[in-house]
Amino acid sequence: DTAVSQTPKYLVTQMGNDKSIKCEQNLGHDTMYWYKQDSKKFLKIMFSYNNKELIINETVPNRFSPKSPDKAHLNLHINSLELGDSAVYFCASSPTGSGNSPLHFGNGTRLTVT
Amino acid sequence: AQKVTQAQTEISVVEKEDVTLDCVYETRDTTYYLFWYKQPPSGELVFLIRRNSFDEQNEISGRYSWNFQKSTSSFNFTITASQVVDSAVYFCALSEARGGADGLTFGKGTHLIIQP
Repeated sequence: DTAVSQTPKYLVTQMGNDKSIKCEQNLGHDTMYWYKQDSKKFLKIMFSYNNKELIINETVPNRFSPKSPDKAHLNLHINSLELGDSAVYFCASSPTGSGNSPLHFGNGTRLTVT
Repeated sequence: AQKVTQAQTEISVVEKEDVTLDCVYETRDTTYYLFWYKQPPSGELVFLIRRNSFDEQNEISGRYSWNFQKSTSSFNFTITASQVVDSAVYFCALSEARGGADGLTFGKGTHLIIQP
């Protein structure tokens, strides 16, 4: 039933490790996104994919690499984790074509780097 | 470049009071879309409303109402007779018409606290 699902919900790891967050949507949407919410609750787009192709890559370190095996999945891989990567990461999806569609968000993954 | 400003970082009111959350936006596009999202303490982001730049009609949904004014680039959100369950962080967001793949630009959010 869940429209946009992310796993895991919580991720605690040490500096220097590599980790992945998975995202899947069953809404049939063509566009998927990753947003980062920092400790002050500010939401900022990191990436967007349209039909498996990268559309937006905001200024994020290249330690972050999105992977879209198909249009229903957009995973986020993070190499060499740093303390500053601690945040809540939200996956979202929307239909393609216009800016008038609301984004459907997953429930977020809280990443804590120690 | 587009920008959304929510000047109120935190608002605290007593239950049953009315409260208005302010949102001011900047965009060079003539066609754009505005949104409000709610983030309750449980953390999920809940879509509340969408408004396009051609539709300046105000909208009411139960205790919620939205006032869109292009002349002042504002899209304010009012909760009437607030309830404790309304406590959340509320985000205003903007999308330009060139394509959904650009995503939303969010304001920094207003933390609304409703005290019993």
